[in-house]
Amino acid sequence: RKEVEQDPGPFNVPEGATVAFNCTYSNSASQSFFWYRQDCRKEPKLLMSVYSSGNEDGRFTAQLNRASQYISLLIRDSKLSDSATYLCVVNRGGGSYIPTFGRGTSLIVHP
Amino acid sequence: GAGVSQSPSNKVTEKGKDVELRCDPISGHTALYWYRQSLGQGLEFLIYFQGNSAPDKSGLPSDRFSAERTGGSVSTLTIQRTQQEDSAVYLCASSLLAATYNEQFFGPGTRLTVL
Repeated sequence: RKEVEQDPGPFNVPEGATVAFNCTYSNSASQSFFWYRQDCRKEPKLLMSVYSSGNEDGRFTAQLNRASQYISLLIRDSKLSDSATYLCVVNRGGGSYIPTFGRGTSLIVHP
Repeated sequence: GAGVSQSPSNKVTEKGKDVELRCDPISGHTALYWYRQSLGQGLEFLIYFQGNSAPDKSGLPSDRFSAERTGGSVSTLTIQRTQQEDSAVYLCASSLLAATYNEQFFGPGTRLTVL
């Protein structure tokens, strides 16, 4: 099993749709979790951190399920500008701050 | 303020040559990471520097790869005797501290092509 797994997609949705991505991780010692966004041929940028209690930022909601070892990202009211690749990132844990990146989920929002 | 910068932005080299890639982190950031990303692949961790501690080199794929960080700031990634499979985008990131929840800021990357 890969350390961090994501469905590569692409998820092709119309504007205004709600879309959700999941990401599973294998290391139960992992303590910190993130979603990064990467536009085509650009560097990744932090979208949001994922806390145990979950967190919301505008149209974006992230959840953590430690028991099942997955994190999720929900995007409501999709915009054309949301089209990008979404990277799930999990720190190794056990005192390590080295992150493991998933391969990313591609989202295409069309008019 | 200035973000993370990397140079060169593109590098084309011949198989067997050595290359040096440079990263200037955000001023004051103590943690610095190198990654590489091949086409359609995720980011592969290479090496991590934190302050004056010994770097974590666990991600370096072979002894042809090395990196150093001088004065806790600028870092150089060196690839000796380059191979075609080394072709990728090399990304550098820095963060203020090494902490549980600490945002990494990425540079624009160096696109390396080995002919």
